[in-house]
Amino acid sequence: SQTIHQWPATLVQPVGSPLSLECTVEGTSNPNLYWYRQAAGRGLQLLFYSVGIGQISSEVPQNLSASRPQDRQFILSSKKLLLSDSGFYLCAWSVTGPNEKLFFGSGTQLSVL
Amino acid sequence: RKEVEQDPGPFNVPEGATVAFNCTYSNSASQSFFWYRQDCRKEPKLLMSVYSSGNEDGRFTAQLNRASQYISLLIRDSKLSDSATYLCVVNIPGGFKTIFGAGTRLFVKA
Repeated sequence: SQTIHQWPATLVQPVGSPLSLECTVEGTSNPNLYWYRQAAGRGLQLLFYSVGIGQISSEVPQNLSASRPQDRQFILSSKKLLLSDSGFYLCAWSVTGPNEKLFFGSGTQLSVL
Repeated sequence: RKEVEQDPGPFNVPEGATVAFNCTYSNSASQSFFWYRQDCRKEPKLLMSVYSSGNEDGRFTAQLNRASQYISLLIRDSKLSDSATYLCVVNIPGGFKTIFGAGTRLFVKA
């Protein structure tokens, strides 16, 4: 069966510090991968998605970047965090098809202070 | 107009009640539809897909009305453990467009 791992679960970082969040998927090949952010009490905002190694699409221009160095690895990064980067970050995977469903990792609660 | 709209609630209901959530979507090309459940500070989890013919999973019934661009979720005999936020999700073909509604918060009380 497929599983998705995301870490760390919580992170407290000072403003201006770098960020690296990692996500890996097991049990499937060539998944679509996604990074979402959820601000407190708000809906899910799609940040990046990837259909293959090195292929990244950005939905919202901002202080973040994503990379996919391996088929089942997706990394979210920032060189300098802003206060507004605080939120709940979720990695997800799916397999392309007519009834595509997303499956989420357990999330990272990021607090930028 | 938002692509996917839900009543934010909260819905406060007693145990055993029947509660219904509604969701509307704006893109008539939307192809597939889902309900997700999200507990506080947790990841969203797939609750059920929504089919044109309507579908049922235990106490949960989902329905789709393509003509009105409307999706619903009915929960019968509410349990305390049903307390969560319910997210309406719509897939639009051609470009990995999975749109999440902002969610409807449900509180089930003893």
